[in-house]
Amino acid sequence: DQQVKQNSPSLSVQEGRISILNCDYTNSMFDYFLWYKKYPAEGPTFLISISSIKDKNEDGRFTVFLNKSAKHLSLHIVPSQPGDSAVYFCAARNPAGNNRKLIWGLGTSLAVNP
Amino acid sequence: GAVVSQHPSWVICKSGTSVKIECRSLDFQATTMFWYRQFPKQSLMLMATSNEGSKATYEQGVEKDKFLINHASLTLSTLTVTSAHPEDSSFYICSARDRKWYQETQYFGPGTRLLVL
Repeated sequence: DQQVKQNSPSLSVQEGRISILNCDYTNSMFDYFLWYKKYPAEGPTFLISISSIKDKNEDGRFTVFLNKSAKHLSLHIVPSQPGDSAVYFCAARNPAGNNRKLIWGLGTSLAVNP
Repeated sequence: GAVVSQHPSWVICKSGTSVKIECRSLDFQATTMFWYRQFPKQSLMLMATSNEGSKATYEQGVEKDKFLINHASLTLSTLTVTSAHPEDSSFYICSARDRKWYQETQYFGPGTRLLVL
C-alpha cells in the first residue's frame, strides 16, 4: 500500500514557467516532508523540506506548500529551467520507531523544455 | 557540507562472488545510514537501516544473510552482497543522516552500479 503518492509520473513545462509537482500521503502521523531531485545513475539530491507545523517553506526558486487537512503537499519551481529536468521524489518521515525512516513516493519525471 | 561518498561507483563481478560497497559521510557524523536499491524506472526501495554500533534493521523481504551490513564507525557503513547472482544486479544507493537529533534530512551518496555476470 503506497502511503506516499505522486500521481503524475511525468510533467512537461516550458522554460520560465512554473512547475508544480504534487504529492499526497495517507498517514496523518507523518510529521516531516522532503523533496529530492534525482538524475539518472546518481543519488538523490536534497532540495527542500517542511515540518508539519508549517504550511509553507521557501528556498530560492523552490517553494513547498503543505495542506495537512488534505494530506497534500506540492513543490513549486519558479521559474523553471532546463537544468531542472530530473525525477523528483517526495518523502515523508514516519516518526514511529527508532530509525525515523523515510517513506518515498514513486517520483515524477519533470521535463523543462527550452 | 553534508557530502556522502560511495565506493566503488560501479562494479562488474562473476556470479558467486561477494562484493563490498562502502558508504562514507565526509563532513558529518552519521549514527544512522540507509541502504537503498533502485531498479530501472522505479522508485527507491529501502533495504535496511544501519545504526552505528548495532545490528542493522532489514526491511521485509530483504535477506540479511545475503546483504550484510556493517556500521563500524560514525562515518562508515558497508554493504556486502554475498554470493552475488545476476538478479542482484542493480543500482545501490546509501544515505546518511546527521547524528544531531534535530536533523531529519538524509544525504545520499552517488550510488554504485552492480552488474553480476
